[in-house]
Amino acid sequence: AQSVTQLGSHVSVSEGALVLLRCNYSSSVPPYLFWYVQYPNQGLQLLLKYTTGATLVKGINGFEAEFKKSETSFHLTKPSAHMSDAAEYFCAVSDPGAQKLVFGQGTRLTINP
Amino acid sequence: GAVVSQHPSWVICKSGTSVKIECRSLDFQATTMFWYRQFPKQSLMLMATSNEGSKATYEQGVEKDKFLINHASLTLSTLTVTSAHPEDSSFYICSARDPGQGGLRYGYTFGSGTRLTVV
Repeated sequence: AQSVTQLGSHVSVSEGALVLLRCNYSSSVPPYLFWYVQYPNQGLQLLLKYTTGATLVKGINGFEAEFKKSETSFHLTKPSAHMSDAAEYFCAVSDPGAQKLVFGQGTRLTINP
Repeated sequence: GAVVSQHPSWVICKSGTSVKIECRSLDFQATTMFWYRQFPKQSLMLMATSNEGSKATYEQGVEKDKFLINHASLTLSTLTVTSAHPEDSSFYICSARDPGQGGLRYGYTFGSGTRLTVV
């Protein structure tokens, strides 16, 4: 069975600082990996996804993530945090042959001025 | 990109009544839709997978008779919370999988969610 672990339920960084949100997965087959962002009382917005090909994936709003098979990781980064990045972030994994997404517990990102 | 519209965005109902939530894919056909429930400050819990023209597949522990799911067309799935009680109050989110390119042309697109409050 697939699973996702997000290390750190809450991450706080200063505006302009590096953002690093950690995600590790467990999957018996090469997975599809996703990062979503959720603002209060809203649905989820796709930041980026990895399916096949280049392991460094660039997404929206300056975010990127790197798929590292040897580490079973898909950490999300952004070089310089902006106040508008404050939100809840979810990492998710899908078996290419399956239909459903499995979500991590989420990481709340707070940006300090 | 793919857009999923979910209505209503919030609803308040009396205990014992039923509430219907709609999830529509606006610019693609969604053979598969998903319904999630999210408690405050928690992750999304998959309730059921809705397949067009067939019965929904419910996750373990989800009451089929309380959470009725209908996926009568390729663009519409509905979730009906029957005989709602205060413990059913939650944030419900739908998602659709774009069937193009093995299901990942856009990925999984989410609706904006419905805040249900049962009083």
